[in-house]
Amino acid sequence: QQQVKQSPQSLIVQKGGISIINCAYENTAFDYFPWYQQFPGKGPALLIAIRPDVSEKKEGRFTISFNKSAKQFSLHIMDSQPGDSATYFCAASKKKYGNKLVFGAGTILRVKS
Amino acid sequence: DAGVTQSPTHLIKTRGQHVTLRCSPISGHKSVSWYQQVLGQGPQFIFQYYEKEERGRGNFPDRFSARQFPNYSSELNVNALLLGDSALYLCASSLGELQGSSYNEQFFGPGTRLTVL
Repeated sequence: QQQVKQSPQSLIVQKGGISIINCAYENTAFDYFPWYQQFPGKGPALLIAIRPDVSEKKEGRFTISFNKSAKQFSLHIMDSQPGDSATYFCAASKKKYGNKLVFGAGTILRVKS
Repeated sequence: DAGVTQSPTHLIKTRGQHVTLRCSPISGHKSVSWYQQVLGQGPQFIFQYYEKEERGRGNFPDRFSARQFPNYSSELNVNALLLGDSALYLCASSLGELQGSSYNEQFFGPGTRLTVL
């Protein structure tokens, strides 16, 4: 059962453009939504996370937008750079159940210079 | 500051063998979680341990087991290896029990690449 659906599967963006990755979840009990960045041969690195009591969170060039009624959240990467080329995963968890993160399938981002 | 460390980096085993993977969490972190990441997919939750006790288990067969030691390091054991166990095994550490409205950020190690032939 795929509880977090992520799209697109892959994305090509020009340098300086905006990269947008979307996720949808099914379980309304989820209350923590992080995004991870993973480079080949490395473990996922936490980028930014949001709780459902806010609709947007921004950290540098990375912004999460959250729509609780639609059960959707998205990652926006502004001024995308070649160094942002990586695989991005959205995830969700329920605070009540501790650390179990449910991940999306991932989006391979390539930023062309 | 040292992050999460895992050993070994790579491992090649044959079907039916047993494997032990090791993880050391970030200093001060008391919780360790294990994930399996098959190529081209997102990580799948296997176990969570806190203060040496199992606090969560994912949908994996009993061939998978784990434990946490008094120094908070952890081992993941897989018995009777199958070809389908080939994956990147990730360890994530976090502070521990959730307090109030705080959330436990999880920090991942580089993983152990297991290949089963």
